[in-house]
Amino acid sequence: AQSVTQPDIHITVSEGASLELRCNYSYGATPYLFWYVQSPGQGLQLLLKYFSGDTLVQGIKGFEAEFKRSQSSFNLRKPSVHWSDAAEYFCAVGPPLRGSQGNLIFGKGTKLSVKP
Amino acid sequence: EAGVAQSPRYKIIEKRQSVAFWCNPISGHATLYWYQQILGQGPKLLIQFQNNGVVDDSQLPKDRFSAERLKGVDSTLKIQPAKLEDSAVYLCASSQIGSYNEQFFGPGTRLTVL
Repeated sequence: AQSVTQPDIHITVSEGASLELRCNYSYGATPYLFWYVQSPGQGLQLLLKYFSGDTLVQGIKGFEAEFKRSQSSFNLRKPSVHWSDAAEYFCAVGPPLRGSQGNLIFGKGTKLSVKP
Repeated sequence: EAGVAQSPRYKIIEKRQSVAFWCNPISGHATLYWYQQILGQGPKLLIQFQNNGVVDDSQLPKDRFSAERLKGVDSTLKIQPAKLEDSAVYLCASSQIGSYNEQFFGPGTRLTVL
C-alpha cells in the first residue's frame, strides 16, 4: 500500500540550530516527492519538490531536501532555523507520471517549535 | 496573481445540519481538489475535478458528501447531514494540467460539528 511516514510528531529546536525532518515513503515506483509547510490557520505552502535528476533539491526559505532511493526517504533540512519557521511540515508523494493529476498522499505531519 | 479563495473560514453547526463550502481556484487552473484534514492528520483527498468532470471521488463519503464544479471554475462541497466526525479543516487546492502535481492550497474552512 502507498503510504508516507513522518516518524516525528513534534520537534523542538533552538533558533539558529540546524534542522532535519524525516520522511519515508512506500510506493510502487519512485514517486514525485513534496514538502509543504502549514502555519496556524493557513493553507499549505509548497517548500520544494523532487521529480528526477539531482537528488538534492533546493526550496524556498532556505530549505533543502535529499532524496535517497535506497532508503525510500526524502528528508527536509535547514542549516539555521529562524523563529518564523515554527509551523507544521508535511511530506507528500504523488504518482510519477508526467502531466498526471493524480492523488497526493500526505504524511501526518511534524510540528516544529523553535526556542528563542 | 490571486491565490485559491475559500469561504467561509470558520463554521460551527450541530450534528444532522447541513453545510456548504465554496472554493475559487487560481485563474486558469483546470484541476481542483477538495481535501479533509482532521486534527493531527495530513490532508486526505475527498474529490478531484478536471474542468467540470470528476477524476477521483473514491474517498468521498457519498451518502452525505457531495461536490460540484459548474462551468469548470468555482466549486462547492456540501455535507448533509453532518456528523461529529466531520469536524475538520476542509482544504481546496488547484493545479495546472501538466504541472507535475504542483498544487496550490487555499486557507481552508474549519468546520466544528457539535
